[in-house]
Amino acid sequence: AQSVAQPEDQVNVAEGNPLTVKCTYSVSGNPYLFWYVQYPNRGLQFLLKYITGDNLVKGSYGFEAEFNKSQTSFHLKKPSALVSDSALYFCAVRVPSGSARQLTFGSGTQLTVLP
Amino acid sequence: GAGVSQSPSNKVTEKGKDVELRCDPISGHTALYWYRQSLGQGLEFLIYFQGNSAPDKSGLPSDRFSAERTGGSVSTLTIQRTQQEDSAVYLCASSPKQGFNQPQHFGDGTRLSIL
Repeated sequence: AQSVAQPEDQVNVAEGNPLTVKCTYSVSGNPYLFWYVQYPNRGLQFLLKYITGDNLVKGSYGFEAEFNKSQTSFHLKKPSALVSDSALYFCAVRVPSGSARQLTFGSGTQLTVLP
Repeated sequence: GAGVSQSPSNKVTEKGKDVELRCDPISGHTALYWYRQSLGQGLEFLIYFQGNSAPDKSGLPSDRFSAERTGGSVSTLTIQRTQQEDSAVYLCASSPKQGFNQPQHFGDGTRLSIL
């Protein structure tokens, strides 16, 4: 069975500092990987995805993520955090041949950027 | 442009009552998903509709849950004889076409509280 782990429930970072939100996954086969962000009382918003190709993926709002096959990781990064980046972040994984239910979400990481 | 619209945004009801949750996907999106988000949890897949194909109902937790999609557009999720454990945020998402490498566009959800 596939799974996603977001090992940190909470990440705090000072504004202007780089941020990392960690994600590791377990699947059989090549993964599709996604990051979503959720602001309070809102739905999830798509940030970026890895399907194939370059391991470094750039997405919305200055975020990027690096696919590392050997470490089965897909950490979300941003060089300089903003207070407005404070939100709940979800990593998700699926295999291309899987069914609709097989998009597995992590439990989320609450990012707080301190002014 | 118009995003995924869900109604009501909040619903409070008594245990044992039936509830209907509505989702209007983005116009032209053929794929529609329902998820359940419980406090501190990731997203739990419930059901998937794709065009005129038979829906994937494999995530529905019990026979009290059902969903339909009329005319390939609006979808309704119905929960019969609600239980307190049904309390959660119910999220709807749509994507433009078949293909699980497509990001999903989420509505803001319906927050369901069962008293």
